[in-house]
Amino acid sequence: QITLKESGPTLVKPTQTLTLTCTFSGFSLRNTAVGVSWIRQSPGKALEWLALIFWDDDKRYSPSLKSRLTITKDTSKNKVVLTMTNMDPVDTATYYCAHTSLTIMDVWGQGTTVTVSS
Amino acid sequence: SYVLTQPPSVSVAPGQTATITCGGENIGSKSLHWYQQKPGQAPVLAVYDNSARPSGIPERFSGSNSGNTATLTIKRVEAGDGADYYCQVWDSSGDHPVFGGGTKLTVL
Repeated sequence: QITLKESGPTLVKPTQTLTLTCTFSGFSLRNTAVGVSWIRQSPGKALEWLALIFWDDDKRYSPSLKSRLTITKDTSKNKVVLTMTNMDPVDTATYYCAHTSLTIMDVWGQGTTVTVSS
Repeated sequence: SYVLTQPPSVSVAPGQTATITCGGENIGSKSLHWYQQKPGQAPVLAVYDNSARPSGIPERFSGSNSGNTATLTIKRVEAGDGADYYCQVWDSSGDHPVFGGGTKLTVL
């Protein structure tokens, strides 16, 4: 059974850097074609894909946020970390990580809510 | 960047068939996935690769994809099907996933 859980601060100040961790079980990032995506959802808004890291350390970023995002993995610890710099109140959202098989985000974490406010 | 267009809302009476569309240029050439998100919950994969259903998704849910429009069809709609539905493809030019804007399905 695949499970993922997001963790990180619930409140960050504007201009700070956000660091979120996705801790997963039931799969390995050593497996071919496996990846972990990060997706966010601002209150009342649509899903927005942010970043994806594959088993071979191939990384993809949202073009609109690429300059602010970094995604890394720790395969031995079953963790994927997303950092987002220069946080702004518009970045207030629920952040999800998801197991990704090629192009399919087939299992999602419960999400973690981040508020950006001074 | 590739754009997916969904109607903001669809309403249907219980027992009827709901049809949710997702439009995009030559979308029929892409592998398309649908996600269901109930209020206060994380999204769940409902249909993948245009028409395949993950385990646990009722047979009432089906998908198709051709030309410039993909469609999610829910037959014999139940109150519990009320949710937001999102389509998603891989943008081959940008080499990353893309979501549609979502459709709120209201069961009357």
